[in-house]
Amino acid sequence: KQEVTQIPAALSVPEGENLVLNCSFTDSAIYNLQWFRQDPGKGLTSLLLIQSSQREQTSGRLNASLDKSSGRSTLYIAASQPGDSATYLCAELSYNTDKLIFGTGTRLQVFP
Amino acid sequence: GAGVSQTPSNKVTEKGKYVELRCDPISGHTALYWYRQSLGQGPEFLIYFQGTGAADDSGLPNDRFFAVRPEGSVSTLKIQRTERGDSAVYLCASSPTSGSVSYNEQFFGPGTRLTVL
Repeated sequence: KQEVTQIPAALSVPEGENLVLNCSFTDSAIYNLQWFRQDPGKGLTSLLLIQSSQREQTSGRLNASLDKSSGRSTLYIAASQPGDSATYLCAELSYNTDKLIFGTGTRLQVFP
Repeated sequence: GAGVSQTPSNKVTEKGKYVELRCDPISGHTALYWYRQSLGQGPEFLIYFQGTGAADDSGLPNDRFFAVRPEGSVSTLKIQRTERGDSAVYLCASSPTSGSVSYNEQFFGPGTRLTVL
């Protein structure tokens, strides 16, 4: 059974810090990996998608990397802001299926 | 519309009742997915449609759950004889045809929060 794990489960940092969120997966046939943001009581907003053939993707202050050999992805957030406070979820899509397998998320709080 | 929409946003029902949850995908997206998210957990897959047909329904927990997409656009998730354990946020997502430049990126709606009393 494919599993996705996210560490840490929760993170609280002061504004301005650079931070890294970790995601590990067991699927050796990964097709792509997506990072999402979820605000309380809201749906999921797609942040970045990395194809299995890619090593990283960047959008503004966000950078996501993918290492298939080690089964890991990281989301790097530069110069964090209070508005970044949310739950961040990673999800992998396998070549063998069309369903996303999600981690349980990292709950981030950035305080002023 | 610009994004995936879901109605209702909240649904409160009594144990044993029947409920329908609606999803309107992004225009032109042929693939549609239903997920369920319990408190503090990541979403879990329920069912996937490619066009009008259910291509994978392996995530439906039991035969009380059923989904349709009769015209290949709007989808309805139907739950019969609801139980308290069905309480969760039901999320819908859509994506362009497999093999497009969007590489199966899934775009999610705001969800329907179902509470079974």
